[in-house]
Amino acid sequence: DQQVKQNSPSLSVQEGRISILNCDYTNSMFDYFLWYKKYPAEGPTFLISISSIKDKNEDGRFTVFLNKSAKHLSLHIVPSQPGDSAVYFCAASISNFGNEKLTFGTGTRLTIIP
Amino acid sequence: SQTIHQWPATLVQPVGSPLSLECTVEGTSNPNLYWYRQAAGRGLQLLFYSVGIGQISSEVPQNLSASRPQDRQFILSSKKLLLSDSGFYLCAWRGNRGDTEAFFGQGTRLTVV
Repeated sequence: DQQVKQNSPSLSVQEGRISILNCDYTNSMFDYFLWYKKYPAEGPTFLISISSIKDKNEDGRFTVFLNKSAKHLSLHIVPSQPGDSAVYFCAASISNFGNEKLTFGTGTRLTIIP
Repeated sequence: SQTIHQWPATLVQPVGSPLSLECTVEGTSNPNLYWYRQAAGRGLQLLFYSVGIGQISSEVPQNLSASRPQDRQFILSSKKLLLSDSGFYLCAWRGNRGDTEAFFGQGTRLTVV
C-alpha cells in the first residue's frame, strides 16, 4: 500500500518559470513532510520540510505548501534553473517518539528546459 | 558535523553469491538507521530500519537481512543473491525524533549477473 504518492512521473518546465511538484498521502497520522532532490547515482539530499502545524514553509527558491484536509503537499521552485533537473521525492513521517519510519513517494523527474 | 559512509559504490555479483553492504555514521550517537532501495516505478522503498543496537525492523519480506552490531554501523546482507536483488541501495541516518530530516549515503549500485 503506497501511503505517499507522486502521480506525475515526470515534468518539464522552461528555465525561469515555476516548477510545481505534487504529492498526496493517505495516512492521516503523518504530521511531518519532507522534500528531497536526487541526482543519478547519488544519495538524495534534503531540500525543505514542513510540519502539519503550518501550511507553508519557504526557503529561498523553494516553497512547500501543505493542505491537510486534502492530504496534499506541493513543492514550488521559482525561478527554475537547469541545475534543478533531478528526481524529486516527497516523504512523510509521524513525529511522536516511537514512530521511526520515513515513507517516500515514487518520485517525479523534473527537467528544466534552457 | 555528522557524516555517513556507505561502501562499496558499485558491486557486480553472480547469482547465488553472498552480499555484505556496510554503512557507518560519524558525529552522532544513537541514530535511527535505514536501508532503502531505489527501484524503477517504486521510488525509495524502505527495506529495514533500526532504532538501536541489535534492533532491526523489516518492512518488506525478501532475500535480504540487516544487522546493527554497533551503534553507528548498519549492514545489509544476503546469503544468496537473486537477479531481482539488483538495484541502487541507500543507507540513511536520522535523529530519534520523527520531525527531523534523514541524511543519505552516496548509495551502492548492485548488479547481480
